[in-house]
Amino acid sequence: DSGVTQTPKHLITATGQRVTLRCSPRSGDLSVYWYQQSLDQGLQFLIQYYNGEERAKGNILERFSAQQFPDLHSELNLSSLELGDSALYFCASSASGRGVDEQYFGPGTRLTVT
Amino acid sequence: AQKVTQAQTEISVVEKEDVTLDCVYETRDTTYYLFWYKQPPSGELVFLIRRNSFDEQNEISGRYSWNFQKSTSSFNFTITASQVVDSAVYFCALSEEETSGSRLTFGEGTQLTVNP
Repeated sequence: DSGVTQTPKHLITATGQRVTLRCSPRSGDLSVYWYQQSLDQGLQFLIQYYNGEERAKGNILERFSAQQFPDLHSELNLSSLELGDSALYFCASSASGRGVDEQYFGPGTRLTVT
Repeated sequence: AQKVTQAQTEISVVEKEDVTLDCVYETRDTTYYLFWYKQPPSGELVFLIRRNSFDEQNEISGRYSWNFQKSTSSFNFTITASQVVDSAVYFCALSEEETSGSRLTFGEGTQLTVNP
């Protein structure tokens, strides 16, 4: 158990809908990352937050947004969902948000868009 | 731009065989970090090791060992006396301090199957 929690574990929804994925980092970690794992794209970095502020952005679609709250949990919002958004979404956390840190991953949320 | 290549898509071995998973990386940074993660069939990503660019010492942890060679930009992972429980997808990853912050750039992964 990495100490990172993600809810829900599975999500099935229809095209055009909006969903929210939630992540709680390990105790003491200030930085949260979101990654998407799909068959065609592999594991891709989406976005990073550090202590409530956005620190880095990767291949995140405009339909997707995220935030980190004062209690350090994070939410990833996916809207106008398309079939191609079906993927495993991971949240990871690290202590300081620097490259030297190990990132510990949550169990993931499997999103299926039908 | 940073890149990680794991040329071996799938490897199949028989239990107790040794197996090496290859990882080659590209970066222009002088300070960078290399990681290996394991993704068992249950799906979670498990951290195995981190290496920084200034430390080329090889590391051994039980049946696992890692060989980091800057001259060939490689960070290979060897499992000695493999076991069925080692069956998983293994990912090599890179983070750069200067260019792209602490995001992880992953390789495509190597599916390792250990047969009894």
